[in-house]
Amino acid sequence: QQQVKQSPQSLIVQKGGISIINCAYENTAFDYFPWYQQFPGKGPALLIAIRPDVSEKKEGRFTISFNKSAKQFSLHIMDSQPGDSATYFCAARGNTGNQFYFGTGTSLTVIP
Amino acid sequence: DAGITQSPRHKVTETGTPVTLRCHQTENHRYMYWYRQDPGHGLRLIHYSYGVKDTDKGEVSDGYSVSRSKTEDFLLTLESATSSQTSVYFCAISERSRATGELFFGEGSRLTVL
Repeated sequence: QQQVKQSPQSLIVQKGGISIINCAYENTAFDYFPWYQQFPGKGPALLIAIRPDVSEKKEGRFTISFNKSAKQFSLHIMDSQPGDSATYFCAARGNTGNQFYFGTGTSLTVIP
Repeated sequence: DAGITQSPRHKVTETGTPVTLRCHQTENHRYMYWYRQDPGHGLRLIHYSYGVKDTDKGEVSDGYSVSRSKTEDFLLTLESATSSQTSVYFCAISERSRATGELFFGEGSRLTVL
């Protein structure tokens, strides 16, 4: 059973456009929601993260929107660039034991 | 980059043989994890450790065992490899922190079971 559901599976965006990836969860005990970016042949790396007491967090072109009541969160990439082409994973951390649960990933392609 | 080394990086083996993957960290982080990555499934937790000799099962632990005899080393063992265990395996480390709790990943170990 997937603890964190992620969509879409793949996304193609024109350069300069907005990329949006959505995630949903059921476990209200999750206390930390990171997004990871992965390039081919590499391990995932933390991109941006949010805690559930905050509704939005912005770092440069990357923004997380968090809706606690709907148990949903999303990643917005503004002014998408070809260098943003990668696989993106949302995740959630349990508030005991430090376990992280990942979504199934979104393959983003930004067309020049 | 976080000091995480996985070995071997690539391995081809045959069904029924034992396989051990090693994760070595130089960060002295308390938590260590083994994930497998498969298309359509994302990253799934196999086992994790919250201290020396303290380990627990993750979502997909069947067919795998782990050991952590030192803070810096976390071993993943496939006692008898099967083709369904063909995957890319990632080690990760973390220090739980309310502020961040970031996971740092290694470069991955690609295992092919024939």
